[in-house]
Amino acid sequence: GQQLNQSPQSMFIQEGEDVSMNCTSSSIFNTWLWYKQDPGEGPVLLIALYKAGELTSNGRLTAQFGITRKDSFLNISASIPSDVGIYFCAGRPGSSNTGKLIFGQGTTLQVKP
Amino acid sequence: DAGITQSPRHKVTETGTPVTLRCHQTENHRYMYWYRQDPGHGLRLIHYSYGVKDTDKGEVSDGYSVSRSKTEDFLLTLESATSSQTSVYFCATGRGTNEKLFFGSGTQLSVL
Repeated sequence: GQQLNQSPQSMFIQEGEDVSMNCTSSSIFNTWLWYKQDPGEGPVLLIALYKAGELTSNGRLTAQFGITRKDSFLNISASIPSDVGIYFCAGRPGSSNTGKLIFGQGTTLQVKP
Repeated sequence: DAGITQSPRHKVTETGTPVTLRCHQTENHRYMYWYRQDPGHGLRLIHYSYGVKDTDKGEVSDGYSVSRSKTEDFLLTLESATSSQTSVYFCATGRGTNEKLFFGSGTQLSVL
């Protein structure tokens, strides 16, 4: 089936540093979503992207829908301890009419105070 | 937050027993999904529903069945649980095919 490659798999950074992570696919996606998951909870939506080239911010988070429609990027600026968690990218294939999402494997972020 | 409630939150069961997980939503979303989450695999789609009594398989549907008799409820059944079905199960809902998905808090299932 279709897969998303998310990288890096994990990051350990110092508080105040900026963070970048990305997702790539071999096929075209119509929608890219970024989620964050805290321990014991379900994923929570951070940013949704619907158009190629779209750049969207949510506070210290910025995400972009790649121009080729095969990738997406998430940046977190000036990280703080509560940014700790697992970040997932999710994409909706161009051929899909069911609304289902395909997920990357996740990026585990740890922030050292 | 789409008002999604999953029950139970935790369950331990034995191999070979039937198990049913419930997802209840209060937002009248048409689309509902069951995902499982395992280390190294992210979230993988088990089954989904695009309306009452309308369901279809996802990428890891073997050993699972679903039912949706009302808009607000989506049930996932393991007819005969196996140890490979030990996982965290998430329900998600969406308003339309190009809309955001919202997730419940998950059910931790252990099959011994």
